[in-house]
This record gives sequence, structure tokens and C-alpha cells, in this order.
Amino acid sequence: EDQVTQSPEALRLQEGESSSLNCSYTVSGLRGLFWYRQDPGKGPEFLFTLYSAGEEKEKERLKATLTKKESFLHITAPKPEDSATYLCAVQSAGNMLTFGGGTRLMVKP
Amino acid sequence: NAGVTQTPKFQVLKTGQSMTLQCAQDMNHNSMYWYRQDPGMGLRLIYYSASEGTTDKGEVPNGYNVSRLNKREFSLRLESAAPSQTSVYFCASSEATHYEQYFGPGTRLTVT
Repeated sequence: EDQVTQSPEALRLQEGESSSLNCSYTVSGLRGLFWYRQDPGKGPEFLFTLYSAGEEKEKERLKATLTKKESFLHITAPKPEDSATYLCAVQSAGNMLTFGGGTRLMVKP
Repeated sequence: NAGVTQTPKFQVLKTGQSMTLQCAQDMNHNSMYWYRQDPGMGLRLIYYSASEGTTDKGEVPNGYNVSRLNKREFSLRLESAAPSQTSVYFCASSEATHYEQYFGPGTRLTVT
């Protein structure tokens, strides 16, 4: 059974204070790892897909990396508008997504 | 281009009532999904449709039925609502099952 654990559950940062969110996974045959952003009261918004260990993707202040056991979402010099819940999901041979519980990020000005 | 739309946005049901949640996408995607999101449980797949004319159970299908009406529309039906079905329901779509999924805004359902 695929499992995804995200840590920390909640993270408070000051504006400009860089940090990383962790997504640890156990999956039989990783087909892809997905990162989403979810704002309160809204649906998840797609950010990145990573397919193999060593791969990196960037978008504005966000950078996602992947190893064989975990993925990191690095946030550089965050702004208050980066406050949201970040979700990680893995896709195995069955093609369905298994989601982690999310990390709630709060960036204070 | 509206993406994925869901109706209604909010709904309150009494135990035993039935209702259908509607979902439509305008991205010409082949695959569509229904999830529920509960505090502490994350997003869990209820049913999915890999392509028009097919549907399959996900992780938590009990108490639900689905219909893939056409390529654009995928509905979720609760035949006899229970308080345990109080949740936020999200519809999603993707080009195919191995591609990234795009989510709708959600339906907040309360069953009393």
C-alpha cells in the first residue's frame, strides 16, 4: 500500500525566511510525485510533477526536488501570498494518486 | 476556459436524503475523478473514470455511485446520505490517468 507522510504539519515563517517542506513516501514503482497548493475554501492547484530521483523543478520562489524516498519543496524568501496548504501526492503503477496530509504554511509580514 | 466546475457549492442534507453532485470540465480531458477531503484524512479517491464509458472504484466507494455522462461530465450520487458523508467533495480531471490532475472548487456537504 502506498503511503505519503508530510512534515511538518504546520510551519510559520517570517517574510523572507527560507525553509523546506518534506514529503516522505513508500510506493511500489513510482510513476510520478505531484505537488499541489491549496488555499482555504478552494480546490488544490497543480504546481509540479517529478518523475525520477535527482529531478528538480522551479516556479518563482518554489523549487521541488526528488530522491528515492522523499521530496522537498524549498521556499526561498517567501511572501505572505505564499501562505497556503501544500499537498504532496504519489502515483504508482495503478495510476491513482495517494495524497499526504499536507503542510500548512503561514508567512507573516 | 473555466477548467473544472462543480455544482452546487454548498449543500445541507438530512440523513436518508439523496442528491447528485455535478462536475464538468472543458479541457477535453479523458480521465475524471471524485475525491473527498476530511480533516486529518487528506484527499481520498471515491471513484474515477479513466475514459468515457468506464468507471472504477477508488479507496472509499461505499455509499456512492457515479455516472460518466459524456466526455465532459462526471456526476457523483449519494443515494441515502449519512452523517459520515459530511465532507468537502472535489472533482478533478486529467488528460490521462498518468498525468497531473486539475481540481474543481469543491462542494461542501453537510448531512444532519
